[in-house]
Parts: sequence; structure tokens; C-alpha cells
Amino acid sequence: NAGVTQTPKFQVLKTGQSMTLQCAQDMNHNSMYWYRQDPGMGLRLIYYSASEGTTDKGEVPNGYNVSRLNKREFSLRLESAAPSQTSVYFCASSAGSGANVLTFGAGSRLTVL
Amino acid sequence: RKEVEQDPGPFNVPEGATVAFNCTYSNSASQSFFWYRQDCRKEPKLLMSVYSSGNEDGRFTAQLNRASQYISLLIRDSKLSDSATYLCVVNMAFTGGGADGLTFGKGTHLIIQP
Repeated sequence: NAGVTQTPKFQVLKTGQSMTLQCAQDMNHNSMYWYRQDPGMGLRLIYYSASEGTTDKGEVPNGYNVSRLNKREFSLRLESAAPSQTSVYFCASSAGSGANVLTFGAGSRLTVL
Repeated sequence: RKEVEQDPGPFNVPEGATVAFNCTYSNSASQSFFWYRQDCRKEPKLLMSVYSSGNEDGRFTAQLNRASQYISLLIRDSKLSDSATYLCVVNMAFTGGGADGLTFGKGTHLIIQP
């Protein structure tokens, strides 16, 4: 019953530190996504991977990098965290190729001091 | 400019009442529409897709009005458990139609009161 699993659930960083958010899905989905959600801003797409081996920028990619490690896993890296990256991060997946329905992970709450 | 607009609320509604809220979208070429539900401090979950002919799932009814560019969600006989934020989601991609073209509204907060 796992679906989309994200780790860690909570993280506190100091400005300038780096970290990687991990995401894995067990639904054999082709496409995976990273969103951030901020109060009053709604969900915004950071990066996505339409299929294994490809990644593309979304609406707010600056300050982030991603890796589609294999079909199951899609990680998001903050190389030098900034307070503006304090947010809730959601990983999601979809069957891809025109499929619009997303399945989300439980979220990762990141605070950058 | 991508834009999906929702009334943020909160909508305070007594249990058992009917409540409806709309969502407007700016791109007339949009093809896919959805309502997601998000509970406090949880992830969004698909509530229902919105089809051109409208669709109903139990107490929930979704409608699409292409001429006026809005979708609506109607909840009948509201329950305490319906309290949540309802996100309007529109695919504004011109091609492909993959989920990378999805634009999320900021959500409408619904509170069902006993």
C-alpha cells in the first residue's frame, strides 16, 4: 500500500547547507514530479521527469537539482539551502504519456534557518 | 499567463447543508480538469476528475462550463469529515497533456460545523 514514499518527513537546515530529498514510487509510473507548497502560493512545480532518463525544469527550478535514479526513484537536491526554500515539498507520480492524475507522497517539511 | 483562481474562503457551513464553490481558469485551450482534496498538513488526493458532461460521485458533483471558463464542485449533505481544502487543478499544456502542464489553484478552505 506504499504508493509514493518521501524521506525525510522533517528537516531543519542552516543557510548554506545541502541536503537531498528522496522519493520512491512502487506503482510502475513513468513520470515523477517535485512540487513545493507555500502558504498563499499553491503548489508549484520545481522539476519533473517524464520518463526514466529525462528531467525537465518546472516553474521554480532555481536552487534545486534532481536525479531520476531509476524508474522508481526521483531525488531533489538543495546544494546551498536558503531561507526562501523553507517550504513543504511533495513528490508525486503519474502513469505518464498524457496521464494527468497525480499520486502524492506525504510531504517533507523543510525549514532553513 | 497561467492562472487558476479560487475563492480561498473559509466557507463555514453547517453539517447537512449543501455547499458549492467555483474555480475559474484563464486558458480556453485547457483540456483536463480535476478537484483534489487536501487535509491539514497532508498531501493532496484526487477527489474527482471533471468531464465535459459533468460527473457525480455520491454526494459530490463536478461541472465544467467551457463558455465561462470555470469548473464547480457541489457537496450535498455535508459531513464533518468534508472539512478540508479543495484544490482546483487544470491542465494548461498546449501539447502532450502530461501532468507537467497541471496548474493548481490555491485552494478553497471548507469548514463543516456541527
